Parts: sequence; C-alpha cells; structure tokens
Amino acid sequence: DAGVTQSPTHLIKTRGQQVTLRCSPKSGHDTVSWYQQALGQGPQFIFQYYEEEERQRGNFPDRFSGHQFPNYSSELNVNALLLGDSALYLCASSSGGGTASWGEQYFGPGTRLTVT
Amino acid sequence: AQRVTQPEKLLSVFKGAPVELKCNYSYSGSPELFWYVQYSRQRLQLLLRHISRESIKGFTADLNKGETSFHLKKPFAQEEDSAMYYCALSGGGSNYKLTFGKGTLLTVNP
Repeated sequence: DAGVTQSPTHLIKTRGQQVTLRCSPKSGHDTVSWYQQALGQGPQFIFQYYEEEERQRGNFPDRFSGHQFPNYSSELNVNALLLGDSALYLCASSSGGGTASWGEQYFGPGTRLTVT
Repeated sequence: AQRVTQPEKLLSVFKGAPVELKCNYSYSGSPELFWYVQYSRQRLQLLLRHISRESIKGFTADLNKGETSFHLKKPFAQEEDSAMYYCALSGGGSNYKLTFGKGTLLTVNP
C-alpha cells in the first residue's frame, strides 16, 4: 500500500488562474480531508469529504471547492488564484465511521503550489 | 472556536536530557487531543492521541483539562527525536475539524 498519494508534486500558476489538486486515500479509508500549510505555520483545515459529500468546512472562501469520487479519491479546486494561495496543500485520509477512528489521519506528501 | 497554541517555535536539548513540548488549547466542549510529528523529508504522521493513553517512542502526553494543556514529554531525548512536532485538537462528536498548532521544531544535540 503506497499510502496517501497526491498529484502533482509541484505546481506553478499565475494569479487569476484555476488549479486542481488530486488525492488518493490509503487503502481501506473512505474519508478525505484537505489542509493548507503556509510557510512556518501548522496545517489549516479546508474541508473534509465523506460519502462524496462535504462534511465540514473550515474558514476558506468559496473559491476553494472539492469533490470526492465513488472510489474515495478526491480533488481540491481553487479558482481565481491569489498570491496568498501559495502554500503546501496536504491531503489526509481516515476511516469515516465514528470519531474514535477518523481523528487518526494519514497524510500525503503534499502539493506545493506557487502562485506568481 | 477551537484554538491550539504551541508557545515554543524552537526547542533545543542535549541527548539524554528530558524534553517537554508545550501545548495549550481552547475549546468549550470535550476535545480530543493529538500529537503529530514530521521527521526530515517525511510526511506528517500521528505520534499519539490522548484517548489511547499509550507511550509511543518513549513519549507520553497527559490531558490536563484544568490547565487546558496537553504537553508532550520524554524523559531522555534521542537524536532521532529531532523533528517538527504539532499539537492538534478535534472537537469530537460531529465536529470533524482538526485544528493544528504552529508547531515546535525540536533539535536534539549529540
């Protein structure tokens, strides 16, 4: 099991463009969470997907949207990119049933997004 | 609102010395607390969670609800403990948001 995988590894975009990041969860996991990690900061929760629905959302604008597919993989979309969106985007997977298990999250290596 | 504070950005100790990484939290309900660790060139991984009450790699953490703290401790630090440590909080129940602190970079010197 490769664990959580993310693509691409790095991405450079221009302000105003749109970007899509992808995540495949660890085998057996059905829940995917997305985080933004700016330099020198801890990961910040963007949203969590479970059963193809957004289950909870953090304090991020509507420019950030996501999707979960029937195979549990997920996409993060960011529209109208701003310079401040430059960060490491982390995907984490977990088992969705009950808080006792979902809190143990397995992280991917991240996608480094640079907006110029 | 849920908040996690790690007051030390950097912590440096010598091998064999005790180490304590501080974590304070703010949450009105009964939170679940976690410590995540990131070793150099590795991905973020769970170190321990308060409900399991386990000792992982010699580290322990006790949830002190009175002081709203969840400090991470190890009696004798090893060089391989050098890493970035993040304290994280979940509200539990239907609150699935995991809130992280800014992290503490621990360096264990030989």
